[in-house]
Amino acid sequence: DAKTTQPNSMESNEEEPVHLPCNHSTISGTDYIHWYRQLPSQGPEYVIHGLTSNVNNRMASLAIAEDRKSSTLILHRATLRDAAVYYCILRDIGSSNTGKLIFGQGTTLQVKP
Amino acid sequence: NAGVTQTPKFRVLKTGQSMTLLCAQDMNHEYMYWYRQDPGMGLRLIHYSVGEGTTAKGEVPDGYNVSRLKKQNFLLGLESAAPSQTSVYFCASSYSAYIGELFFGEGSRLTVL
Repeated sequence: DAKTTQPNSMESNEEEPVHLPCNHSTISGTDYIHWYRQLPSQGPEYVIHGLTSNVNNRMASLAIAEDRKSSTLILHRATLRDAAVYYCILRDIGSSNTGKLIFGQGTTLQVKP
Repeated sequence: NAGVTQTPKFRVLKTGQSMTLLCAQDMNHEYMYWYRQDPGMGLRLIHYSVGEGTTAKGEVPDGYNVSRLKKQNFLLGLESAAPSQTSVYFCASSYSAYIGELFFGEGSRLTVL
């Protein structure tokens, strides 16, 4: 499974945009980039995913580099409820038919009021 | 529509005791997963199932057994609990190995004394 690298922690101010980076230099052509987040004392929840093009949904935007070796999760306006651990994960749909996600350490996002 | 339900939510065991964690999903998902999360760490995959009657080992399978006799249920067993198995256990399910996201339960906190 290809690995991702994320900063251990980041801080943001409430109502400001947040850019969470992720490096995945060994990504393969069949790896989807998934983002999940885990609020305190809860299970992870899906945020967004993409393959090559930038993606938007109601929670966030995902910007994928042209060479796909890095991506950025963008929270357009951070709220206190966005304080969580954010995981960037590669999901291989090519060689594997298991659908499993292999989690790294993630980035702990603190949001200051 | 309950999603993914885990029982029990809390349990304290003595070393050597056995127990079973139950994961139930009502979304007709084929794929189910058991993860464990130790303090300050990301989730690690214990076992998974790609359909009724199938199971496979994940990253950290030792000391655990699983069964998927019914599509909606995925059981995680500890035959002889050890203090190293003190952790929070999360179950997840997914419709497909290729598209869509994983849905996680709220977690089961297990302490082994």
